[in-house]
Amino acid sequence: GEQVEQLPSILRVQEGSSASINCTYENSASNYFPWYKQEPGENPKLIIDIRSNMERKQTQGLIVLLDKKAKRFSLHITDTQPGDSAMYFCAASANNNAPRFGAGTKLSVKP
Amino acid sequence: GALVYQYPRRTICKSGTSMRMECQAVGFQATSVAWYRQSPQKTFELIALSTVNSAIKYEQNFTQEKFPISHPNLSFSSMTVLNAYLEDRGLYLCGASRNTGQLYFGEGSKLTVL
Repeated sequence: GEQVEQLPSILRVQEGSSASINCTYENSASNYFPWYKQEPGENPKLIIDIRSNMERKQTQGLIVLLDKKAKRFSLHITDTQPGDSAMYFCAASANNNAPRFGAGTKLSVKP
Repeated sequence: GALVYQYPRRTICKSGTSMRMECQAVGFQATSVAWYRQSPQKTFELIALSTVNSAIKYEQNFTQEKFPISHPNLSFSSMTVLNAYLEDRGLYLCGASRNTGQLYFGEGSKLTVL
């Protein structure tokens, strides 16, 4: 299958704490895993991605982990700020096919 | 840098009429263009993937008869929603790729059907 499951659907955290979003995928041929942030009324913006030749990638307060055996990948936002509040979508694609998206996580960071 | 322009940003159309949206890639060659629909409060459903010089691949529940796509060159693609009804409303997004898997999204075309 091509399903991508994403949890949680809603995530509320206190400013300064970390937030984690988890995704699983079905297609073992998936080799590219992007994460998108979507603010209200905007299009999704790529914030970080990871390919299957890596297990971890970090950039500007974002960490993505990939466990190919478990077909699981996750996004961790460290030191969250109110500006991090948005919808976050994980996606997975195989061999340059179009990515399939998870259902999304609504992150709210409270000051 | 890579940019994708999508237009129109918003369309309101009467039930049973059609809406055409266009996607322009600037700064890179859009070998592949994927069209998605985000229905209200939902995720992004893949409609079809178009790759230059290849057949357009439609997903289950989406057909060429309903969502015809044109991808004539490496910078432009268009999609039409024919005979739009209430269930077709949502945000339609094009995502253009150099064929590396990384998509650059346009701003989206929001369709409202009356």
